[in-house]
Amino acid sequence: ETGVTQSPTHLIKTRGQQVTLRCSSQSGHNTVSWYQQALGQGPQFIFQYYREEENGRGNFPPRFSGLQFPNYSSELNVNALELDDSALYLCASSLGSGGVPQETQYFGPGTRLLVL
Amino acid sequence: GDSVTQMEGPVTLSEEAFLTINCTYTATGYPSLFWYVQYPGEGLQLLLKATKADDKGSNKGFEATYRKETTSFHLEKGSVQVSDSAVYFCALHYNQGGKLIFGQGTELSVKP
Repeated sequence: ETGVTQSPTHLIKTRGQQVTLRCSSQSGHNTVSWYQQALGQGPQFIFQYYREEENGRGNFPPRFSGLQFPNYSSELNVNALELDDSALYLCASSLGSGGVPQETQYFGPGTRLLVL
Repeated sequence: GDSVTQMEGPVTLSEEAFLTINCTYTATGYPSLFWYVQYPGEGLQLLLKATKADDKGSNKGFEATYRKETTSFHLEKGSVQVSDSAVYFCALHYNQGGKLIFGQGTELSVKP
């Protein structure tokens, strides 16, 4: 059973650029959630995808967008990068059924984004 | 809104000392509660969970009991090791939108 994987591990961008982060969910999981973790803080929920549909969204602006693919992998896209977007971006997968995502989420190692 | 508050760190202990990390929460309804651990430079690993009042979660010598009357989920370990040095996050699961709400984290440093 493979765990949650994310790519790339590290990324450096400049202000105003766009970035795409990728996540492969754990085998058998159909739900992916994305979190932003600023230095020294707890993770903040960005959004969740269940069976390719957005299932919930946190307090992040529309320039944060996502996709989930038929194989349940996912992308997080951030447009018009700002300095404050510098953070560790974590992807978590879980198994949902009957339209309800399972509450236990398994996290990947994260992508560390630095915006200069 | 729902929230989680953890004791501030860093917590510094000697090896084999007793550990308590306090966690309290505010929630509408009856959330599930979690402890995650983050080792330096890594993502989060699930440590333990409890899904209803009076449940005790346990793993690797760590324990936490879901106390509805005090809205708490304190993490304990009887004898810590140097390898337990990490940041510990308490979280609740919010059913609408399926999100986890995390506390700010508590850094634990165990000295030999």
